[in-house]
Amino acid sequence: EIVLTQSPGTLSLSPGERATLSCRASQSVSSNYLAWYQQKPGQAPRLFIYGASSRATGIPDRFSGSGSGTDFTLTISRLEPEDFAVYYCQQYGSSPPLTFGGGTKVEIK
Amino acid sequence: EVQLVESGGGLVKPGGSLRLSCAASGFTFSDAWMTWVRQAPGQGLEWVGRIKSKTDGGTTDYAAPVKGRFIISRDDSKTTLFVQMNSLKTEDTAVYYCATEFGGVMTFWGQGTLVTVSS
Repeated sequence: EIVLTQSPGTLSLSPGERATLSCRASQSVSSNYLAWYQQKPGQAPRLFIYGASSRATGIPDRFSGSGSGTDFTLTISRLEPEDFAVYYCQQYGSSPPLTFGGGTKVEIK
Repeated sequence: EVQLVESGGGLVKPGGSLRLSCAASGFTFSDAWMTWVRQAPGQGLEWVGRIKSKTDGGTTDYAAPVKGRFIISRDDSKTTLFVQMNSLKTEDTAVYYCATEFGGVMTFWGQGTLVTVSS
């Protein structure tokens, strides 16, 4: 089973700043099959990125994903108020099981 | 518009059973792989299991913590997904989400239903 470790646990930033979220896998993720989800309090998760770098429908271009192998990054170029949330990475290159990281909370500083 | 609506959650005693449903609309349900994901209070996301479409064999996969206790099924005629949860433990307490799965990616999610296992 591939274990995903996200860092930092919490990121405190101001609107307009750049956010860099990390997701590290315990072994190489096949074909860069890595997705990112956003979850706001009381809501279901929402798909943001798949294939490590492809944005899902309707996701603004200030969100970008990158990385390969065991190291992946989600970058938010300029934080908007609606971007403050928890972000989870998930691998689907080696399944079952599908596995998630523990999440990174992006909070307003 | 894709809609997934979970129901059936509630309070159950340890060792008890519960059946969750997920009513789907807005897409061709019979062609879809469907997944259950859960989230314990204040915790992260945990994949529970999946069922493939019948054209892809209709087989199921489960996470280790629920294997042998949970059974995922589907009724394509009613566009509904189910999970039968048996021998429930306190650690099964969570919000349970159903989601469409495409190539391992959870593309659309329901709003979730809360299951509380407590004496």
